[in-house]
Amino acid sequence: AQSVTQLGSHVSVSEGALVLLRCNYSSSVPPYLFWYVQYPNQGLQLLLKYTTGATLVKGINGFEAEFKKSETSFHLTKPSAHMSDAAEYFCVVRWRGSQGNLIFGKGTKLSVKP
Amino acid sequence: DTAVSQTPKYLVTQMGNDKSIKCEQNLGHDTMYWYKQDSKKFLKIMFSYNNKELIINETVPNRFSPKSPDKAHLNLHINSLELGDSAVYFCASGQRPYNEQFFGPGTRLTVL
Repeated sequence: AQSVTQLGSHVSVSEGALVLLRCNYSSSVPPYLFWYVQYPNQGLQLLLKYTTGATLVKGINGFEAEFKKSETSFHLTKPSAHMSDAAEYFCVVRWRGSQGNLIFGKGTKLSVKP
Repeated sequence: DTAVSQTPKYLVTQMGNDKSIKCEQNLGHDTMYWYKQDSKKFLKIMFSYNNKELIINETVPNRFSPKSPDKAHLNLHINSLELGDSAVYFCASGQRPYNEQFFGPGTRLTVL
């Protein structure tokens, strides 16, 4: 069955440290892939997306993600965490050929310690 | 200019009441969506409209009825509200083919 999995419901890093949020999907055909961020009591904002082409995609606020077909992964990274990065991060997929609805992972809450 | 707007932002009501949430987008997208976010932050699609036509209708109680008067608006009406309807409801809009979606600020519904 098709699914999207985020490893770790809560990740805590120190300010200035590397941020790595993991996402794997389960599907025979790679989906369209997105990362969204939700700041406390706010809506969702698109960080970055992979549809076709270059497998390393850069997004807003210094985030990037790499699509690895062999590993069915789309992990999100940022070299140096800022306090303002503290938020909930969602790995999201749209299965190719679907009607367009997004399927959300369960989310990873990122905490940044001073 | 707000791309996707929702009203109201907060809605507190009693069980059994009927309420509506409105959504408008000014991005010119052809598709709009309603999502529900539960208390554990899990987001799930409820409905999707493309050019005023319902194209996605997930397993949602028929107390929930979406209405799209035009492709820039998608409203959600809920009848006979229940405690379990308490959640944050997000409207979103998107454009084919990739359906990158833009989300509204959410409506926090609390049923007492």
